[in-house]
Amino acid sequence: GEDVEQSLFLSVREGDSSVINCTYTDSSSTYLYWYKQEPGAGLQLLTYIFSNMDMKQDQRLTVLLNKKDKHLSLRIADTQTGDSAIYFCADLLLRGCNAGNMLTFGGGTRLMVKP
Amino acid sequence: DTEVTQTPKHLVMGMTNKKSLKCEQHMGHRAMYWYKQKAKKPPELMFVYSYEKLSINESVPSRFSPECPNSSLLNLHLHALQPEDSALYLCASSQDQLRRPQHFGDGTRLSIL
Repeated sequence: GEDVEQSLFLSVREGDSSVINCTYTDSSSTYLYWYKQEPGAGLQLLTYIFSNMDMKQDQRLTVLLNKKDKHLSLRIADTQTGDSAIYFCADLLLRGCNAGNMLTFGGGTRLMVKP
Repeated sequence: DTEVTQTPKHLVMGMTNKKSLKCEQHMGHRAMYWYKQKAKKPPELMFVYSYEKLSINESVPSRFSPECPNSSLLNLHLHALQPEDSALYLCASSQDQLRRPQHFGDGTRLSIL
């Protein structure tokens, strides 16, 4: 089955850039997502990228996709203390028409931003 | 603020109790999902409803019983739960069953005594 891997922990200083990495195994992936989860909260959709794109930028967020290496990254520019959270990448697995899509999540990367 | 609303936010129940978790969305989404999340782990899919019909059951024990009364509502009925069922239960919805991103609620924190 599909496997999605992330590093467990990242620590950066406020104002620096953060880069969170993710690898996946399913070569037929169509959409890849980044979600943010703050303590005690649900998952907030940050951004997503379609597999025919190499890059997507949305304000402070930049997503890079290397489909050949099955590598996805999320860069957060000018990281703030409010960015401290767990970040999950997720790969979309289609189960066929009318069957619902299924997200395969990585284990999550805990981002700690030091003032 | 999330557009997927879950109630209650916290629930404590004994192993013999019967309770229900509720999820509501008014975005016109036709696919809805239940996930279970243990501490420091990613969410695990439990059920998927597509156009109000159950399309995926990830081998969830029968003490969890989902229900989709209409396209905006999703319930999870709980009965005779075990302490290991204590977790954060997340509801999500997506515009359709194919490629649209899933939007999550803030979850119900469930504790089984």
